[in-house]
Parts: sequence; C-alpha cells; structure tokens
Amino acid sequence: NAGVTQTPKFQVLKTGQSMTLQCAQDMNHEYMSWYRQDPGMGLRLIHYSVGAGITDQGEVPNGYNVSRSTTEDFPLRLLSAAPSQTSVYFCASSRPKGGLFFGEGSRLTVL
Amino acid sequence: SQQGEEDPQALSIQEGENATMNCSYKTSINNLQWYRQNSGRGLVHLILIRSNEREKHSGRLRVTLDTSKKSSSLLITASRAADTASYFCATARSYNTDKLIFGTGTRLQVFP
Repeated sequence: NAGVTQTPKFQVLKTGQSMTLQCAQDMNHEYMSWYRQDPGMGLRLIHYSVGAGITDQGEVPNGYNVSRSTTEDFPLRLLSAAPSQTSVYFCASSRPKGGLFFGEGSRLTVL
Repeated sequence: SQQGEEDPQALSIQEGENATMNCSYKTSINNLQWYRQNSGRGLVHLILIRSNEREKHSGRLRVTLDTSKKSSSLLITASRAADTASYFCATARSYNTDKLIFGTGTRLQVFP
C-alpha cells in the first residue's frame, strides 16, 4: 500500500511563479485535505474536500487553488508564489469519522 | 488561529520514564486526536477520543479528555528512544473529521 503520495518532495520557486503540488491516495478515502506547517505554528488547514467535485476553504486559503476531479487525486495549485508561502505542505486523507493519513510532505522554498 | 495549545513545548526524559503532554482547546469539540511526527516525516495518527469519552488506551498510550476544562492529556508509559518525536493534538468540531485544527505540538526527547 502506497497510502498518501506527495510530489515533489522539494521545490524551489521564484516569486511570481506558479506550480502544482500533487497528492494521490490509494485507500479510497472520501476526505482529503492540505495543510501547511510552519515553525512554531503547528499545522494550518488550507483547503479540504469531502468527495470528488466538492472542495472548501480552510483557515489559510489565500493564494491557493484546489480541485477534486477524482477520489484519488487532490492537487494544490500556487497561483503566484510569494516568500510567505515558503513552508512544508502536507496532504492527508481519511474516512469521514477516522484519523488522518498523511503524506511525507512537500518542502517549498520561494525566493 | 490555533485551536489547541500543547504544554509543555518541549520535554526531555530518560528511557523507561513516563511522558505526559497536555492539550488545551478553546471551543466545543466532537472529538480530539493525537498525532506523532518524527523529524522530517509526515504525521501519524495515534488515537482518537470522542467528547463523550473520558479515557482511552492504546498500547503504551493513555489519553484523557476533560470537556469541562477543555483539555486533554497524552501519557506515554515506559518511554523508549524511538518515542522521540513531536506530538500534536487536533480537534474536530463535527462528527466528521474533514476539518481538524491542530495545536502547536510538544517536542519529546527520550534519552537512552
């Protein structure tokens, strides 16, 4: 079982560039979400989805877009990268009433 | 804003000792979860306790929940060097765990 797979693991961007962080899960989980982790801040929810075709904003959605065309995939798009988006990004999936399964993270640096 | 605040921020103990971490939160919840994160890795779900439960056990882990005080504790008994990690509490306001609010974490160091 691969679980939750995130790509890329590391990325360096210049301010203003766009990119997509990929997330795929093979557990047939309905729920998927994106979090960012900054030092001393814990994890903060960016966007989440309760099923294919359904997405909603979390605590810190500005500057990010998501879509959920399939149950398996939940990509996170950075529209115009800013230094404040330098962070570690985690994708997670779950069943409606269970704990979250996390990917290994994508470490993004914006110069 | 963070829902959960862990205490202490950092904890150092010797192998074999017990480790206790506390989590306080601000609003009413449906359930509270604890996660472990090894350095440079993703989070791993440890245990979930619902608001109508007061205590839950899983192996060497014991979690308590006091909804009147809006607090929870995680006890790791007979700690091992492999328990060295950061531990986070996370709260869910609804029965479904679509939106979790995480605390800032406790860094646990277990010395052999």
